[in-house]
Amino acid sequence: GEEVAQTPKHLVRGEGQKAKLYCAPIKGHSYVFWYQQVLKNEFKFLISFQNENVFDETGMPKERFSAKCLPNSPCSLEIQATKLEDSAVYFCASSQSESQNQPQHFGDGTRLSIL
Amino acid sequence: GQQVMQIPQYQHVQEGEDFTTYCNSSTTLSNIQWYKQRPGGHPVFLIQLVKSGEVKKQKRLTFQFGEAKKNSSLHITATQTTDVGTYFCAGRKAAGNKLTFGGGTRVLVKP
Repeated sequence: GEEVAQTPKHLVRGEGQKAKLYCAPIKGHSYVFWYQQVLKNEFKFLISFQNENVFDETGMPKERFSAKCLPNSPCSLEIQATKLEDSAVYFCASSQSESQNQPQHFGDGTRLSIL
Repeated sequence: GQQVMQIPQYQHVQEGEDFTTYCNSSTTLSNIQWYKQRPGGHPVFLIQLVKSGEVKKQKRLTFQFGEAKKNSSLHITATQTTDVGTYFCAGRKAAGNKLTFGGGTRVLVKP
């Protein structure tokens, strides 16, 4: 598609439950990025992929967070045993190329609310 | 690690006035990008600056990259209500490296 599609738009989970977010990048874009935005503040980089391979995971919490980009499937970000502090808007972005200074195109985000 | 700071955090502007938001990096950047996020929306790419001292204009918006490639500014003239939103700068240390976003400048326009 011509837009980054994120689902669901809003996800509510009880503390300790699992949350799974999905992202379909723009067709033809090789790079996918996940960001966490808390209280409309700065974007915390989580992880990026080049096609199905992890490109940079330096922002990814070592515990509880995992992500995948499998061929012919939307990318996913999964949080195990959610905590209250995981409440945030999670944005996915895609770009044609990481190394060619391409802009990142963002999806509308998934608002995760942990109760 | 690399840090990107933006000031001011909030900017209240009278409609028709000009304002500037500043972006400073703790390290030399390969390039810098600017994004605008409307309330409740997602970031939208505005522009990218690559060369030292580069200046680019988009209608009422003027973007500048510092000579040392460690800072940048966005100047908006004759502010309109459509300028409301949060403006983020995002810097990249080297080609292939991730973008590091600043904290954003939230712009509110008084009619």
